[in-house]
Amino acid sequence: GDSVTQMEGPVTLSEEAFLTINCTYTATGYPSLFWYVQYPGEGLQLLLKATKADDKGSNKGFEATYRKETTSFHLEKGSVQVSDSAVYFCALSDHSGGYQKVTFGTGTKLQVIP
Amino acid sequence: NAGVTQTPKFRVLKTGQSMTLLCAQDMNHEYMYWYRQDPGMGLRLIHYSVGEGTTAKGEVPDGYNVSRLKKQNFLLGLESAAPSQTSVYFCASSYGDRGPNQPQHFGDGTRLSIL
Repeated sequence: GDSVTQMEGPVTLSEEAFLTINCTYTATGYPSLFWYVQYPGEGLQLLLKATKADDKGSNKGFEATYRKETTSFHLEKGSVQVSDSAVYFCALSDHSGGYQKVTFGTGTKLQVIP
Repeated sequence: NAGVTQTPKFRVLKTGQSMTLLCAQDMNHEYMYWYRQDPGMGLRLIHYSVGEGTTAKGEVPDGYNVSRLKKQNFLLGLESAAPSQTSVYFCASSYGDRGPNQPQHFGDGTRLSIL
């Protein structure tokens, strides 16, 4: 079945540092890939997505590229801010089960210190 | 724009009590989902619905029931609450009928404690 593996956290960075959160996946079909962000006390929000191989999703300075050859979708940001402190979830979505099935990673907590 | 609204936001129950969690979406989405979020386990799908009047089991359905009598509402019921059901519950909805590239939209969650 489908699976998503994320690097474990928590990740602690200083403000303006470079961020990478690794995500790899296993899927039988051709899934779409997502990064969601969860701020304290809130639900998940879509951060970015990519729907086919070599697509790059980007939003708010975050980027991730759909790499089919390495089955990866790593999240990057060049300069993090304190406001980026949150939990980040990698996810894949496909229709292999006859409905839009979404498989989430376990989440990576990011803490950015001033 | 309300999006996905969950009620209640917090609840404490005693073992054996029953309750219903409510989810409402105003985006005319066909698909709706209930997840539970536990530390270190990400989100696990409890039940889902692909349209009004339909429901199906997800990954961890035992101890829960759902109903989707109206397109905009998806109800999650606990018939006899157990401490293992202490969790944060999230409702989500999407245009999943339009393909796998549709994102899910989430409510802010219901924090449920079973004593």
